[in-house]
Amino acid sequence: GNSVTQMEGPVTLSEEAFLTINCTYTATGYPSLFWYVQYPGEGLQLLLKATKADDKGSNKGFEATYRKETTSFHLEKGSVQVSDSAVYFCALSDGAGSYQLTFGKGTKLSVIP
Amino acid sequence: DADVTQTPRNRITKTGKRIMLECSQTKGHDRMYWYRQDPGLGLRLIYYSFDVKDINKGEISDGYSVSRQAQAKFSLSLESAIPNQTALYFCATSDFSGTYNEQFFGPGTRLTVL
Repeated sequence: GNSVTQMEGPVTLSEEAFLTINCTYTATGYPSLFWYVQYPGEGLQLLLKATKADDKGSNKGFEATYRKETTSFHLEKGSVQVSDSAVYFCALSDGAGSYQLTFGKGTKLSVIP
Repeated sequence: DADVTQTPRNRITKTGKRIMLECSQTKGHDRMYWYRQDPGLGLRLIYYSFDVKDINKGEISDGYSVSRQAQAKFSLSLESAIPNQTALYFCATSDFSGTYNEQFFGPGTRLTVL
């Protein structure tokens, strides 16, 4: 079956530090990959996505590249802000028309001034 | 107004009680989902529905039931609540015509079973 493994948290960074959250996956076929973000007290919001190998998703300064050869989709940001403090979830959907998102366990990021 | 709404936002109930969580959406999407979130476990799928007449079990459906009353409404019921159903519950929707399954989430319902 499908699975997503992301780095354990929590992660604490100082403002303007570089962020990497690792995500690897196991899936049949050609999955689409997502990063969702959950701010305190809120639901999940799509942060970025990539639908095929070598695609780079980007949004709000965050980036992730779909690496089929390493089955990875690591999230990066060059300079984090306090407002980026949230829980980040890596997820996959296994091909067109599929019904289910498979989520990683989430990584809590705290950014301190 | 939010595209996906959930009621109630918070609920405390007792063991053995029946409880219903409701989800409504204005996005016009065909597909709707119910997930639960537990600390350290991510989100797990309870039930999903492709349209009003199509209901499917997800990964952890035991102890839950659902009703798709209309395209825009999808309710989750706990017939006899137990403490290990204490969790954060999310409803989500997606568009059947999409080429990938981007899902849009409601704000969540925090359920506590005493």
